[in-house]
Amino acid sequence: DAGVTQSPTHLIKTRGQQVTLRCSPKSGHDTVSWYQQALGQGPQFIFQYYEEEERQRGNFPDRFSGHQFPNYSSELNVNALLLGDSALYLCASSFTQGNTGELFFGEGSRLTVL
Amino acid sequence: AQSVAQPEDQVNVAEGNPLTVKCTYSVSGNPYLFWYVQYPNRGLQFLLKYITGDNLVKGSYGFEAEFNKSQTSFHLKKPSALVSDSALYFCAVRGTGGFKTIFGAGTRLFVKA
Repeated sequence: DAGVTQSPTHLIKTRGQQVTLRCSPKSGHDTVSWYQQALGQGPQFIFQYYEEEERQRGNFPDRFSGHQFPNYSSELNVNALLLGDSALYLCASSFTQGNTGELFFGEGSRLTVL
Repeated sequence: AQSVAQPEDQVNVAEGNPLTVKCTYSVSGNPYLFWYVQYPNRGLQFLLKYITGDNLVKGSYGFEAEFNKSQTSFHLKKPSALVSDSALYFCAVRGTGGFKTIFGAGTRLFVKA
C-alpha cells in the first residue's frame, strides 16, 4: 500500500517563474491538504481539496493555486515566484468521513527560488 | 481562530529519563489534538491523537499525551527517552467545525546518551 507520494523532490527556480508540484494521496484517502514549511518553522496551511474543490484556504496569496483530479491526486501551482517562496512543500492526505483522522504526509518537495 | 503554542524551542534530556514536550492550544469548540514527529529532510509522521474520551492517550514508540481541558494543554510524554527519539516534534489542532489542521512551531528534542 503506497503512502503519499510527491514529485519532484527537489527543484530550483528563479524569481518570477512558475512551479507545479504534484501529490498522490494514500490509497483510500479522498482529501488532500498542502502545507508550506519554511526552514526552522512549523508547517503553514495553504489549502485543502476535497471532491475536486478547494474546501478551505489559509492565509496565502492568490499566486498559490491548486487542483484536485478525479483520482484524488492534486497539484499545487505557484506563480510569480518570490525568494520567500523557498520552502519545503508538504502534501498530506486524509479520509474526510468523520473528520477525526490524522494526516498522512509525503516526503515533500523542496523548492529553492534564486 | 485556531492556534498552537509550543513554548520550548528545544528540550534536552538524558537517555533513560522521562521527557515532556509542552503544547497549549486555542480553538473554537472541542479540539481534535495531534502530535507528529519529523526527522531531518522528511515529512511528518503521526504519533498520536486525542478526539474524545480518556484524557491520557497512547501512541507510537511508547509516547503518550495528556489532554487537560481546563489548561488547554496537550503535553507529549515518554517514561524513558531513547537517543533515537531525537527529532522535531509538532503539536497540531483541528476544530470540530473546521477542516484545517494547524501546527505549532515545533520543539526539537535532543536525547543525550
